[in-house]
Amino acid sequence: GAVVSQHPSRVICKSGTSVKIECRSLDFQATTMFWYRQFPKQSLMLMATSNEGSKATYEQGVEKDKFLINHASLTLSTLTVTSAHPEDSSFYICSAQHLLAAEKLFFGSGTQLSVL
Amino acid sequence: QKEVEQNSGPLSVPEGAIASLNCTYSDRGSQSFFWYRQYSGKSPELIMSIYSNGDKEDGRFTAQLNKASQYVSLLIRDSQPSDSATYLCAVNRSGATNKLIFGTGTLLAVQP
Repeated sequence: GAVVSQHPSRVICKSGTSVKIECRSLDFQATTMFWYRQFPKQSLMLMATSNEGSKATYEQGVEKDKFLINHASLTLSTLTVTSAHPEDSSFYICSAQHLLAAEKLFFGSGTQLSVL
Repeated sequence: QKEVEQNSGPLSVPEGAIASLNCTYSDRGSQSFFWYRQYSGKSPELIMSIYSNGDKEDGRFTAQLNKASQYVSLLIRDSQPSDSATYLCAVNRSGATNKLIFGTGTLLAVQP
């Protein structure tokens, strides 16, 4: 099956620093990747849609200058949490849409971000 | 009204019983419906997808969709302790094929 690699799996950082999370489709090309955030015991909240070679589309209420998304190739999208604060602590998950099977989404393993 | 609603549970069933998980959605234009299983601290894993009214069976899992009632359910037959997890209902936003909106999930606990 299709594999989506996401790393780091866990990161602890100081308040004010920036953290980059990578999402990589290992054995397929993904024109579109999605970034979600999940707080404890809550559902996945869609943050943004990332399309290769174009600007990401952010959901209402998500600050684009805070959460920088880059989708430079058909296999890699990155999310950078800039000037992280404790309230940004969450589980971040990416998913990738298969170029040849658009109805299927494949999820990365998630990144647990803890901001001290 | 939330876009996708689920009972948070926990839903407790004995081993071997049928677990029934329910989900309602608000967007009448949604065309694709998914059930994901998520273990604590892990990313979601696709269990079933359903696109048309009626039942769809895959092994011990049966998804049911009723678009008129805006209702989708998941039945798990012969429940096993390993089925204990949070089950997330996801619905595509109309006009955006793979932009999924997730419910808050139902925690299922299968008692040995």
